[in-house]
Amino acid sequence: QKEVEQNSGPLSVPEGAIASLNCTYSDRGSQSFFWYRQYSGKSPELIMFIYSNGDKEDGRFTAQLNKASQYVSLLIRDSQPSDSATYLCAVNRPGGFKTIFGAGTRLFVKA
Amino acid sequence: DVKVTQSSRYLVKRTGEKVFLECVQDMDHENMFWYRQDPGLGLRLIYFSYDVKMKEKGDIPEGYSVSREKKERFSLILESASTNQTSMYLCASTIRGADGYTFGSGTRLTVV
Repeated sequence: QKEVEQNSGPLSVPEGAIASLNCTYSDRGSQSFFWYRQYSGKSPELIMFIYSNGDKEDGRFTAQLNKASQYVSLLIRDSQPSDSATYLCAVNRPGGFKTIFGAGTRLFVKA
Repeated sequence: DVKVTQSSRYLVKRTGEKVFLECVQDMDHENMFWYRQDPGLGLRLIYFSYDVKMKEKGDIPEGYSVSREKKERFSLILESASTNQTSMYLCASTIRGADGYTFGSGTRLTVV
């Protein structure tokens, strides 16, 4: 079992729709959770982090964390073609700052 | 904004060469990391450093070493490059791991 698992996609949504990206992790002691966006040919950039159960909103982005289910999700409201990218879920191992990344989900937003 | 600079965007090296990948950050971050990214495998941690002259192995350190003589600079060394080390190499830094990383622009290394 991979430490961080994501559906590779591609996930295709029409412009203006909500895109929902999901991630599960295996280490129940993990405490910090991140979403990075990576455009083709570019390096990842941090878009959200979440530590506590529940929702965290930042503009059109909402991160959701459920530690009991070991599940993290990212919702993108009013999706735009510029949101088309690979989204990486990442989790810090307990007790340190080593971050483990999922393989990423490719998102396409159709105009 | 924190800037993480990787010295080369593209490199082509021959099998058996010793290869140096350089990374410099400008925000006094203690923690620096080297990852490689391969299709279908995602980012995998090679080495990291939490202070000058301190280093720890990540998940795939074999065939690599690192050097951190100054706080702002973290170098990845491929002792004897092999074709299976062809990859995108990403350097990252953070002041606190819980805050997430800032990545450099990456070095695409091809070993022929």
